[in-house]
Amino acid sequence: EAQVTQNPRYLITVTGKKLTVTCSQNMNHEYMSWYRQDPGLGLRQIYYSMNVEVTDKGDVPEGYKVSRKEKRNFPLILESPSPNQTSLYFCASSSGTGLLEQYFGPGTRLTVT
Amino acid sequence: AQSVAQPEDQVNVAEGNPLTVKCTYSVSGNPYLFWYVQYPNRGLQFLLKYITGDNLVKGSYGFEAEFNKSQTSFHLKKPSALVSDSALYFCAVTLVRSSGDKLTFGTGTRLAVRP
Repeated sequence: EAQVTQNPRYLITVTGKKLTVTCSQNMNHEYMSWYRQDPGLGLRQIYYSMNVEVTDKGDVPEGYKVSRKEKRNFPLILESPSPNQTSLYFCASSSGTGLLEQYFGPGTRLTVT
Repeated sequence: AQSVAQPEDQVNVAEGNPLTVKCTYSVSGNPYLFWYVQYPNRGLQFLLKYITGDNLVKGSYGFEAEFNKSQTSFHLKKPSALVSDSALYFCAVTLVRSSGDKLTFGTGTRLAVRP
């Protein structure tokens, strides 16, 4: 089944403790992206990647890192999480440019205390 | 800069009635527009898109959207709403650039269809 998977689905952590949210897709997609969803703000793009070893900042990259060493994986790294990073995070992928529809993962709900 | 506005936080409609979810956009250049739907505890699902051509775009689950360049709008419509259409709907715009594509979402509109 074609899908985007994220792990973990739920995470509660403390301020400053490094964490990684994994994202993997099995559709051989070139484009991958991370979003955060907050009430009243909709989805905001954090980082995106056009292909392996090619990443770029979205609208809200501060406090996040990403890497794209393999085509299928696009982990999101929070080196020193803070409470304002409490949010619902989505990974997405598509087979090419932004002209094509994106496939979204199920989401990761992160709480930073 | 590109932006999307969804002026209604919530739209209420009775089952069987037509529905409209509004979206306006701002972008320098030709817009590429999308609608996505999010059901509770799920990721977003693609509904439809406008790239070029016919201003009326048909998508999944009987939804359609009308692109209006003069009004910079891309409203989502359905002739007859179903209770199962109740969900959160997002409009999005993208600008294709050589440096990489950027997708900008609106804040979302919650559609509530009452039986």
